[in-house]
Amino acid sequence: NAGVTQTPKFQVLKTGQSMTLQCAQDMNHEYMSWYRQDPGMGLRLIHYSVGAGITDQGEVPNGYNVSRSTTEDFPLRLLSAAPSQTSVYFCASSYSPGQGRAQHFGDGTRLSIL
Amino acid sequence: SQQGEEDPQALSIQEGENATMNCSYKTSINNLQWYRQNSGRGLVHLILIRSNEREKHSGRLRVTLDTSKKSSSLLITASRAADTASYFCATDSSNTGKLIFGQGTTLQVKP
Repeated sequence: NAGVTQTPKFQVLKTGQSMTLQCAQDMNHEYMSWYRQDPGMGLRLIHYSVGAGITDQGEVPNGYNVSRSTTEDFPLRLLSAAPSQTSVYFCASSYSPGQGRAQHFGDGTRLSIL
Repeated sequence: SQQGEEDPQALSIQEGENATMNCSYKTSINNLQWYRQNSGRGLVHLILIRSNEREKHSGRLRVTLDTSKKSSSLLITASRAADTASYFCATDSSNTGKLIFGQGTTLQVKP
């Protein structure tokens, strides 16, 4: 089982550039989410989706867009990259959180904005 | 905002010893989860405890939850070098999957 797959693993961008971080899961999970992890901090929720066609904002959504056209894929778009968006980005998925569910994480995309 | 605060921030022990990590949180929760993160990798789910539970076990892991004190602890017994990792608690206040993570405890287990 592939689980949650994130691409690319590493990326360097210049300020103002845009890019899309890809996330795909093969577990038929309804729920998907994006987090960022900064040094010395835990993960912070950017956006999440409870199913295809449904997305919502998390704690730190500014500067990011998401869409969910299929159950499997949940891409994260940086509209105009800023140095403050340098971080490690993690995608996660789970069955409907309902009564509490374990989330499955990808291995992350390490993004540097120059 | 960070919901959870973990203590200690770093812990170094010898193989075979027990490791205890603590997590405190601010608002009421529906469940609390513990995750492990090995260097350069994603998070791996360890255990979930619901607000109406006080203690759960999974192999060498024991988690307790005290909702009156808004705190949880993770005990790893008979630690191994392979347990070296960062450990995070995460709270879910409404069973929505919107996890709020603590800052983590970095555990080093020396062979």
